[in-house]
Parts: sequence; C-alpha cells; structure tokens
Amino acid sequence: KQEVTQIPAALSVPEGENLVLNCSFTDSAIYNLQWFRQDPGKGLTSLLLIQSSQREQTSGRLNASLDKSSGRSTLYIAASQPGDSATYLCAVRPKAAGNKLTFGGGTRVLVKP
Amino acid sequence: NAGVTQTPKFQVLKTGQSMTLQCAQDMNHEYMSWYRQDPGMGLRLIHYSVGAGITDQGEVPNGYNVSRSTTEDFPLRLLSAAPSQTSVYFCASSYSRSYDEQYFGPGTRLTVT
Repeated sequence: KQEVTQIPAALSVPEGENLVLNCSFTDSAIYNLQWFRQDPGKGLTSLLLIQSSQREQTSGRLNASLDKSSGRSTLYIAASQPGDSATYLCAVRPKAAGNKLTFGGGTRVLVKP
Repeated sequence: NAGVTQTPKFQVLKTGQSMTLQCAQDMNHEYMSWYRQDPGMGLRLIHYSVGAGITDQGEVPNGYNVSRSTTEDFPLRLLSAAPSQTSVYFCASSYSRSYDEQYFGPGTRLTVT
C-alpha cells in the first residue's frame, strides 16, 4: 500500500529565507506527483505537477524535484514571503489500486515578517 | 471556466437527516472524486468516478452514496447523517485517472449534531 510522508509537520522561517519542503513515498510505481497549497478554511490549489518521467518542474519562485527511485520529492520556494504561509500537501498518483491519489499529511509553513 | 464548484459551503445537520452535497465541473473531465478532510487524518477518498455511469468506492465509503448521470455532475449523498461524518468535504476532478492534474473545489464544511 502506498504511503506518503511529509516531514516536518510544521516549519517557521523568517521572511526572505528559502523554504525546503520534503515528501517521501513508499512505492515508486506512480504516474505523477502533485504539490498543493491549502490556506486555512480553503480548498486545495495545485502548485506543480511532476510526471514520473520528469526530474523537476518550475513555476516562478517554486521548484519541485522528483527522485522516483528513492521515493522523494522536494518543493523549494525561493525568497519566502509572509503570503507563502499556508499548508503544503504532496500527493502521488499510483499506477495500482485504482490510481487513487494518495496524500501526505502536509507541512504547515509560517513565514515571519 | 468556473472550474470545480461545490454547494453548499456550510451545512449543519441533525443525526439521522439526509442530504446531498453538490459538485460540478465545466472542464469536460472524466475523472471525479470525493474526499473528506479531518484533523490528524488528512485527506481520505470516499468515492470516485471514471466517467458517466461508472462509480467505485474509495477508502471510507460507508454512509455515503454517489451516482454519475452526466460528465459534469457528481453529487455525494449522506443517507443518514452521523456525528462521525462531521468533516470538510472536497470534490476533485481531472481529465483522466492517470497523467493529468487534479483540480479541487472550495469544499463544504459539514457539522452533524
């Protein structure tokens, strides 16, 4: 059974510092991995989608890497801002088990001004 | 495009009452799914559909019913509400069940007393 883990569960950094968020998964047979952002009381906003054949994806200040063989992905957010404060979730789409998206528990980020 | 829409945003039910949470998407997506999000439990899949007329169970289907008569709509029915169904419910959709980005609705916050 696919398991997805995000450590740490919470992170606090001063404004301007780069953020590094980790996601690990147990089964490398995946179609893709997706990073989401969730603000308190809101829905999930898709940030980046990395296909299993890709090593990284970039969008503005965000860069996500994928090492499928070791079961790891990292989301980098450059020059963090207070507006980056949110919970970040990663999810994998496995090739087995009905292709059901499997989520990690999330990392709650606070960027202090 | 409105994306994925959900109604209502908030709902309070008494134990034993039934109701339907509505979900619609205007992106011509074949794959739709329902999740519930609970503190400490993360996002869990309730039911999903790979196309009109086709539905299947996720991790936590008990107490919920779904049907998919059109590509656009995927309602979730609570048959007899219980306090354990107090949660935030999210609907999601993607073009396919494999390679495509998943989009989430804004959620419905349900309280069962």
